[in-house]
Amino acid sequence: DGGITQSPKYLFRKEGQNVTLSCEQNLNHDAMYWYRQDPGQGLRLIYYSQIVNDFQKGDIAEGYSVSREKKESFPLTVTSAQKNPTAFYLCASTSGIHEQFFGPGTRLTVL
Amino acid sequence: AQSVTQLDSHVSVSEGTPVLLRCNYSSSYSPSLFWYVQHPNKGLQLLLKYTSAATLVKGINGFEAEFKKSETSFHLTKPSAHMSDAAEYFCALPRGGKLQFGAGTQVVVTP
Repeated sequence: DGGITQSPKYLFRKEGQNVTLSCEQNLNHDAMYWYRQDPGQGLRLIYYSQIVNDFQKGDIAEGYSVSREKKESFPLTVTSAQKNPTAFYLCASTSGIHEQFFGPGTRLTVL
Repeated sequence: AQSVTQLDSHVSVSEGTPVLLRCNYSSSYSPSLFWYVQHPNKGLQLLLKYTSAATLVKGINGFEAEFKKSETSFHLTKPSAHMSDAAEYFCALPRGGKLQFGAGTQVVVTP
């Protein structure tokens, strides 16, 4: 089945640690996206990549980093510089001019 | 600038009664538009999309939306709400290789 997978579903981090969230797609989509979702704030774009080995900052990139070494994969690292990382993180992909397809999300909690 | 505005942050309906979720857009041309649904702790699922074909668009789970250029609206409706429709709904507009999301409408369905 084609789709987007995110792992892990739940992630716990101690303050000061970096963590990496996985996003993989087998839809052969060129573009991939990372969103952060907080209660009552909708979706906010962190980073996006429209082609392998290239990515752009979204609206709230500070404290996050990404890589796009393969078409299928777009991991997101939440660094210790992100002051309030507890949130629900969503990955999405698109073929370009059509709708985005979303993964099931990762809930990150900082202890 | 392109934008979407969801006019209601919360909507409460009784089971079996109609649902209306309002979305207005701002665009210098006739855009594509999407409605997504998100159940708790899940990713977003596409309900329906408008892509400049028929102005009345039918989606999944009995939802439909009508594109009205004169009113710059793309309201989502369902004739009879079901308990499983309780979720958050997002209207979205493509913008420069990304999606511009509305703030979301939380739908509560009461028995």
